[in-house]
Amino acid sequence: QKEVEQNSGPLSVPEGAIASLNCTYSDRVSQSFFWYRQYSGKSPELIMSIYSNGDKEDGRFTAQLNKASQYVSLLIRDSQPSDSATYLCAVTVKDDKIIFGKGTRLHILP
Amino acid sequence: NAGVMQNPRHLVRRRGQEARLRCSPMKGHSHVYWYRQLPEEGLKFMVYLQKENIIDESGMPKERFSAEFPKEGPSILRIQQVVRGDSAAYFCASSPHPSYEQYFGPGTRLTVT
Repeated sequence: QKEVEQNSGPLSVPEGAIASLNCTYSDRVSQSFFWYRQYSGKSPELIMSIYSNGDKEDGRFTAQLNKASQYVSLLIRDSQPSDSATYLCAVTVKDDKIIFGKGTRLHILP
Repeated sequence: NAGVMQNPRHLVRRRGQEARLRCSPMKGHSHVYWYRQLPEEGLKFMVYLQKENIIDESGMPKERFSAEFPKEGPSILRIQQVVRGDSAAYFCASSPHPSYEQYFGPGTRLTVT
């Protein structure tokens, strides 16, 4: 079983709608969870980090964590064309190592 | 407050040459990670270093690749006798603690001709 799984997409969302990106992980003891955005040809950029169950909001972004279900998600409200990118989920596993998912490509339709 | 710095940004090498990639972590960060990314693929972990120590090199090919993070100066990823399959983007990231957020540099795009 892969340690961090994401749907590769592409996920197409109309401008102004909510984009929902999902990630599951296999290590039950994972404690830290991160979302990165990567534009084509650029390096990953940290968007959100979340450490406890529930929701964490930052502007148009909301991270949701459910440790019992081993599930973390990222919601983007009022999606803009500039949100079109690949979103990487990252999770700490044993020995404090961070594992990245392969990413979900998001396409916001103008 | 400078972020993670990498140089060169672009590097072209002929097959058989050596490639040296440099990474200076963010101020206050002593943990450095190297990743490789092929076009349209995900990030692949290569190696994790602290000052003067290699902590985890499980993602590093056994031959031709080496990494160091000396007491003074940047971290270096060295690829000897490069082959066309080494062409990729190489990203460096740093963090203040192994389980904290990692911050990425702009990457080095290596092209082997």
